Amino acid sequence: SQQGEEDPQALSIQEGENATMNCSYKTSINNLQWYRQNSGRGLVHLILIRSNEREKHSGRLRVTLDTSKKSSSLLITASRAADTASYFCATDSSASKIIFGSGTRLSIRP
Amino acid sequence: DAGITQSPRHKVTETGTPVTLRCHQTENHRYMYWYRQDPGHGLRLIHYSYGVKDTDKGEVSDGYSVSRSKTEDFLLTLESATSSQTSVYFCAISENGGAGGELFFGEGSRLTVL
Repeated sequence: SQQGEEDPQALSIQEGENATMNCSYKTSINNLQWYRQNSGRGLVHLILIRSNEREKHSGRLRVTLDTSKKSSSLLITASRAADTASYFCATDSSASKIIFGSGTRLSIRP
Repeated sequence: DAGITQSPRHKVTETGTPVTLRCHQTENHRYMYWYRQDPGHGLRLIHYSYGVKDTDKGEVSDGYSVSRSKTEDFLLTLESATSSQTSVYFCAISENGGAGGELFFGEGSRLTVL
């Protein structure tokens, strides 16, 4: 089974609203990353949060990490149509191995 | 954009035939990864490499082998393709791997096994 599981699997919101996606993982980690994938393309890195960090911001993105609950959330504020994509969390369960979750499909309605 | 090239980008083959996918990088990154992506499963790690001739298994390595004889190339081989290996395969590279390393992805190779 996969290390990370995103919730919800799919999310549809109105443009301008905030979108929140959650990621749960099973084993201890050093870092957690979030990636974005547009349809038919490769993944693109969004943000990395280290295990000793609790919150991180990058533009309209806010990531939180709760290592006691083995969970992370990605918040996209003031969503835009261009934010429509799939979002994945990824964790490093060992020095080299990086494992992805199953992803959240985000749709932004105009 | 990171210099990663996957080839072929599309391939249709028959059950039982061998298939090799190639990942080529121009970034001189130490770590290279092969993932497969299927609906409902996200990305699953097949094999990865942490240096020339240094490789290890991922989550779904059965039926796959890899080789890395030089820094820039990471080959994924299906010795005898099966229909369950129909998927989109992504190569990724990283300078630091699990030590806080960002992954850069190729555009994917779509493999159909009939």
